[in-house]
This record gives sequence, C-alpha cells and structure tokens, in this order.
Amino acid sequence: QVQLQESGPGLVKPSQTLSLTCTVSGGSISSGSYYWSWIRQPAGKGLEWIGRIYTSGSTNYNPSLKSRVTISVDTSKNQFSLKLSSVTAADTAVYYCARGGYSYGFPPPWGQGTLVTVSS
Amino acid sequence: EIVLTQSPGTLSLSPGERATLSCRASQSVSSSYLAWYQQKPGQAPRLLIYGASSRATGIPDRFSGSGSGTDFTLTISRLEPEDFAVYYCQQYGSSPPLFTFGPGTKVDIK
Repeated sequence: QVQLQESGPGLVKPSQTLSLTCTVSGGSISSGSYYWSWIRQPAGKGLEWIGRIYTSGSTNYNPSLKSRVTISVDTSKNQFSLKLSSVTAADTAVYYCARGGYSYGFPPPWGQGTLVTVSS
Repeated sequence: EIVLTQSPGTLSLSPGERATLSCRASQSVSSSYLAWYQQKPGQAPRLLIYGASSRATGIPDRFSGSGSGTDFTLTISRLEPEDFAVYYCQQYGSSPPLFTFGPGTKVDIK
C-alpha cells in the first residue's frame, strides 16, 4: 500500500526557508486523481492545514500562510515538497504530509510527521 | 473563516462508558464537509468520520457521528482502552479551499 515519509532539516534558523520533502512509496504520485497535502501541529497544540497540490499540479494554500508557502511535486522522484519562507519560532511544529485534502477530509495514508524547530 | 470550537476540553471516563464529544461551528457547515479524527501520542491523526456521520474504512461501529448546521457530535458508545486519545473535528470550506480544525477534546482514563 501507499506510504509517505517526510524528510528535511530538523533545525532551521529564523528568517530562513524551511524545506521538507514527502517521498511516496508503494504507488506513483502521478497516477490517479489525488490531492497531496501538508499539515502541521505545534507541540501540544492543534492541527493547521498548510496547503495541497493536485495530481495536475494545481495548488491551494491556507490564506494565513499563502504569502510564504510553495508546494510542488517532482514526479520523477515520486515526491512532493513544502517550502515555507521567512520562518519564525511560531513555525516550530511537527509537519505531516498526507495523501488527502478532499472535501471530505484526510484519509490514510499520512506520513509519520517530522519535527522542525526554528531557532538560532 | 469558520471557527470550530470543541467541548469539553478534556473528558475523563472509564472503559465501557459512553463518550459524547461536541463540535460547534461559528457559521453553518455543510454536513458533507465535517470530519472527525483520532490522534494518539506520537502518531498522525486518523480519519474516523466523514460527511458528519459516515465511518471511514476500518473504523469500528462504536464510533458514530451526527449533527448538522453548526452543531456536530462524535459518540463513542463504549470506550475501549485504545480509544483514549485526542479527537479533532475538521471542516472544509470551498471558496477558497480551506480546511480548519477544532482545538481538540482529550478523552482520558478516569
């Protein structure tokens, strides 16, 4: 079955760009009609949807983050990526990737999550 | 933007008891666009209910969802030990596309 795995630096300096990759295994990222999303969760807090990319490449972003977010897909590597610019301590969170972002929600699979800390 | 409020913040119950969790929206939400998730420590959330009342694949029938408009409920009929977790509601707004989550309800062992 399809599995997702996040990867990227666990520590990012303030004002820099956070870059994460989600590698899809067990299936092709470009087959079927799927959304691929990023969601984050600060420690001990709730969930925040960051954005999604469709199989076609079209994107939607949370308006609260839109000016700083880019989500892209690399079909040759079976990956999709998140870039979040001008980070601050408020961006410290566990970041999840998920095959989802449909009107009915986020079914499995999700990645296990990766902690990104913003600190100098 | 629609804001979701969940109550109570924490629910302390014993195994075998019934749990009733509330999710209230600041504006009317289409039932088709209301979902519930379970999250255990160190794990990603798991979709339990979508469309306000439909169980996701593999979800036991002790989990049920109901409600419409601005008031939605997740009910766990008889708590099993593995049900002690945090539960989130989530809604989808289509113009522009936006997913928002409630703050969560923690169900812990009494």
